[in-house]
Amino acid sequence: KAGVTQTPRYLIKTRGQQVTLSCSPISGHRSVSWYQQTPGQGLQFLFEYFSETQRNKGNFPGRFSGRQFSNSRSEMNVSTLELGDSALYLCASRDGTGAGSLYEQYFGPGTRLTVT
Amino acid sequence: ILNVEQSPQSLHVQEGDSTNFTCSFPSSNFYALHWYRWETAKSPEALFVMTLNGDEKKKGRISATLNTKEGYSYLYIKGSQPEDSATYLCATTIRSGGGADGLTFGKGTHLIIQP
Repeated sequence: KAGVTQTPRYLIKTRGQQVTLSCSPISGHRSVSWYQQTPGQGLQFLFEYFSETQRNKGNFPGRFSGRQFSNSRSEMNVSTLELGDSALYLCASRDGTGAGSLYEQYFGPGTRLTVT
Repeated sequence: ILNVEQSPQSLHVQEGDSTNFTCSFPSSNFYALHWYRWETAKSPEALFVMTLNGDEKKKGRISATLNTKEGYSYLYIKGSQPEDSATYLCATTIRSGGGADGLTFGKGTHLIIQP
């Protein structure tokens, strides 16, 4: 099976702009979660989508939003970019159904976003 | 403990030595404890998932234990090798109305194996 893929891998944006990141989960996985990693903060949970619905949400401002399509691919959007949004954004997929499959998450390589 | 905490933050170990590090987490509403290994320029790789108090998991030279009552987990590496150099992340999921929330990560232990 192909792994989790994310596009683009690197991105440079200017303050005030918006950005959209894409994540394609492992085939058959219906849950996609997004995480932000910044130096000193570690990985922080943004949100999780399952079957096109947001199932869980972390503690991030409304500028961070996401969606999931019927093929389980997910996009994350950040509007009005700030310098502090510079980070590595990781997505992770899992089956998301049944008690056992709630556990394993498989991560993509990440998108490195730089805001100048 | 309100957050997931890992110690030490970094660790230098001689090749061949054994080592261990700690993850502490809030024990209320605990659902699962995850260990990941994250090598530079790669994706985090799942090592173990543990749910029950007293769980012990092993994969090759790496093992982990879980104490949900006191809220800690240990990761052990026996006979460290250079390829063990990585950041080891601990994360928890907690019970919520919908099942389990997203992972809450510690800041990791950065392990460097010196030849």
